[in-house]
Amino acid sequence: AQSVTQPDIHITVSEGASLELRCNYSYGATPYLFWYVQSPGQGLQLLLKYFSGDTLVQGIKGFEAEFKRSQSSFNLRKPSVHWSDAAEYFCAVGAEGRRALTFGSGTRLQVQP
Amino acid sequence: DAGVIQSPRHEVTEMGQEVTLRCKPISGHDYLFWYRQTMMRGLELLIYFNNNVPIDDSGMPEDRFSAKMPNASFSTLKIQPSEPRDSAVYFCASSLDIRNTIYFGEGSWLTVV
Repeated sequence: AQSVTQPDIHITVSEGASLELRCNYSYGATPYLFWYVQSPGQGLQLLLKYFSGDTLVQGIKGFEAEFKRSQSSFNLRKPSVHWSDAAEYFCAVGAEGRRALTFGSGTRLQVQP
Repeated sequence: DAGVIQSPRHEVTEMGQEVTLRCKPISGHDYLFWYRQTMMRGLELLIYFNNNVPIDDSGMPEDRFSAKMPNASFSTLKIQPSEPRDSAVYFCASSLDIRNTIYFGEGSWLTVV
């Protein structure tokens, strides 16, 4: 069965610092991978997705993620964090067939001035 | 497009009352999902539909929960009778197909007292 793990529940970074949020998945074949962001009181918004091809994926708001098959990872990165990036970030994995996306437990990002 | 539309945005109800949450998916999307989000359990898939037919309802917690999709533009999630442990944010989401991006509504914030 597909699963996804986000090992960091909460991360605090200073504004302007770089950011990396970890995501590990479990699935036998090549998965479909997503990162979503949720601002307080809002629904989830897609940041980026990986289906195939180039393993480095660019998303909105300056985010990128790299698919590493050997490590079963799909970490989210941003070179310089802005205060408005404070939110909760969810990694999700999808698979072939009719199974819906499985979401990780989320990583809450706090940005210090 | 207006996106996924949910109503009500907020509801406070007494234990034992019936609660009905409503959702209008994005036009043309064949898949509709109901998720529940709580602090303790994170984001859980309750049920999803394909072309108005329920495909996977294994996440529905118990018989008090039911979901319907009478047509391509409307779905309901009903809780009867409601209990305090049902307090959560309920998200409706839709997508073009099972492997594609899921678009979320802004959620229905339910409090059962």
